[in-house]
Amino acid sequence: KNEVEQSPQNLTAQEGEFITINCSYSVGISALHWLQQHPGGGIVSLFMLSSGKKKHGRLIATINIQEKHSSLHITASHPRDSAVYICAPLFPYGGSQGNLIFGKGTKLSVKP
Amino acid sequence: NAGVTQTPKFRVLKTGQSMTLLCAQDMNHEYMYWYRQDPGMGLRLIHYSVGEGTTAKGEVPDGYNVSRLKKQNFLLGLESAAPSQTSVYFCASSSQATGEYYGYTFGSGTRLTVV
Repeated sequence: KNEVEQSPQNLTAQEGEFITINCSYSVGISALHWLQQHPGGGIVSLFMLSSGKKKHGRLIATINIQEKHSSLHITASHPRDSAVYICAPLFPYGGSQGNLIFGKGTKLSVKP
Repeated sequence: NAGVTQTPKFRVLKTGQSMTLLCAQDMNHEYMYWYRQDPGMGLRLIHYSVGEGTTAKGEVPDGYNVSRLKKQNFLLGLESAAPSQTSVYFCASSSQATGEYYGYTFGSGTRLTVV
């Protein structure tokens, strides 16, 4: 069974803190997405990773394909970062492109 | 603005009623998907399409049907709604693999309540 585990489920931080969200998955994959879901419900794709590390502004995502693990880091966190962060590995089923399997998400709340 | 548009945004149905959710994308993406999101669970794939005229079942297809008559549109139908189909539904589209990037764009969601 394809499984995705995220930790922590909930995270409260003070503004300025360094945040780490972890994701582990059960089978070999070719790529992994990190998504952000705002309190209003909209979902935005932050990163797609197949190896190494990517950085966009204060967000950094890393992946270790062999270890089946990815992390999302937020530096100098801000209240506007409050959202649910979702890990979604691209599992190899359903055709050549594969399909995403979604973690349950990590709810981040950043206090001023 | 380019992207994925879902209609309607909200709907309340009575048990046994039918309805169709519409997803439209203007990015010329080949792949389109319907997901449902329930409290305490990750998004789950209902049906997907890898191109015009093709559809396939996902993880939770029972009670739903889909059609992709035009490349830009992906319709999700509920023939006889049940309270278990109360959920938030998201449509998404993605481009074919170009290099290592599989871009996903999500719609804003449809909140459906079946009473």
